[in-house]
Amino acid sequence: SQTIHQWPATLVQPVGSPLSLECTVEGTSNPNLYWYRQAAGRGLQLLFYSVGIGQISSEVPQNLSASRPQDRQFILSSKKLLLSDSGFYLCAWELAGANEQFFGPGTRLTVL
Amino acid sequence: GQNIDQPTEMTATEGAIVQINCTYQTSGFNGLFWYQQHAGEAPTFLSYNVLDGLEEKGRFSSFLSRSKGYSYLLLKELQMKDSASYLCAVAFYGQNFVFGPGTRLSVLP
Repeated sequence: SQTIHQWPATLVQPVGSPLSLECTVEGTSNPNLYWYRQAAGRGLQLLFYSVGIGQISSEVPQNLSASRPQDRQFILSSKKLLLSDSGFYLCAWELAGANEQFFGPGTRLTVL
Repeated sequence: GQNIDQPTEMTATEGAIVQINCTYQTSGFNGLFWYQQHAGEAPTFLSYNVLDGLEEKGRFSSFLSRSKGYSYLLLKELQMKDSASYLCAVAFYGQNFVFGPGTRLSVLP
């Protein structure tokens, strides 16, 4: 069966520090991968998606970036965090063409 | 962009029935999903509708009308553990999922 992992589960970082969040999927090949952010009390905002290794599409301009160095690994990064980057970051996977997404456990990021 | 609308909050009593509505723009529609999200946790899949009508899964049912751009999630025999946010998400052709803002449901004893 397929599983999706995210780490760390929680993170507290100062403004201006770098960020690296990791997401890995097991039990499937060539999934579509997604990064979402959910600010407190708000809906899910799609940040990035990837249909294959090295293929990244950005949905919103921001100081975040994403990379997919391996088929089942998706990384969210920032060089300098802003206060507004605080939120709940969710990684999701989807079988290409299946139209159903499965979410990882999420990373709660607090930028101070 | 595509707009997905849901009520922000709802309150219901344990054992009752509650209906959570979702409306969306119909152009390019390619399926609608409902997810449940407990506070501090990731969303989990509840249901999928791509054709008109009612899909029933135990205490939960989801209805879709494509011509009206309308769906609802029906929760029967409410339990305290059903207190959560319910997210409506729509897949559009050539685009990624668009999530609604979510409806926070509080079930009271």
